[in-house]
Amino acid sequence: GENVEQHPSTLSVQEGDSAVIKCTYSDSASNYFPWYKQELGKRPQLIIDIRSNVGEKKDQRIAVTLNKTAKHFSLHITETQPEDSAVYFCAARLSNNNDMRFGAGTRLTVKP
Amino acid sequence: NAGVTQTPKFQVLKTGQSMTLQCAQDMNHNSMYWYRQDPGMGLRLIYYSASEGTTDKGEVPNGYNVSRLNKREFSLRLESAAPSQTSVYFCASSEGSVETQYFGPGTRLLVL
Repeated sequence: GENVEQHPSTLSVQEGDSAVIKCTYSDSASNYFPWYKQELGKRPQLIIDIRSNVGEKKDQRIAVTLNKTAKHFSLHITETQPEDSAVYFCAARLSNNNDMRFGAGTRLTVKP
Repeated sequence: NAGVTQTPKFQVLKTGQSMTLQCAQDMNHNSMYWYRQDPGMGLRLIYYSASEGTTDKGEVPNGYNVSRLNKREFSLRLESAAPSQTSVYFCASSEGSVETQYFGPGTRLLVL
């Protein structure tokens, strides 16, 4: 079936460094790619999303890039802060319906 | 404006028992979703409702049924609970299929 793979599963960086999380998807017609942040015991919350007609999107310290040809997209966090520590999920909407497939998540730890 | 609400917060069931998880949103969203979240597996879509009066299967629908009671409410029913259904269940809603999904606080279900 259609799936989304996410790497790495864990990532530890020093405060102020950059963090990059990568996802690949299998449905070539997927057209919407959100990223969610989930703190321990909390609900997932959208941090940024990108649609298939755009190659890159930025929001302050967060950016997402999309390569439709290669079927992969990445989350970039610059100048990381301890409060960025959380689990991050990528997702891709399948082309023919509202079905959303999520990656398995990346646990990001930012060390002060 | 409460956003997405879910009841109950926590439930313990015995194998074979039934229960209904309730979800409501006050954002006038068209689409609603039910996910389950298991450790190390991210979020998996159980069922979704693109609009009032319609429901469709997601990635893992077996053992579940849903009802879109009206535009605000979307319930998930387990007819005969199994230990494999032990999980955290999240409801979400969105304006449309390529719009931000807003998640509820989750229901933690333990099936013994």
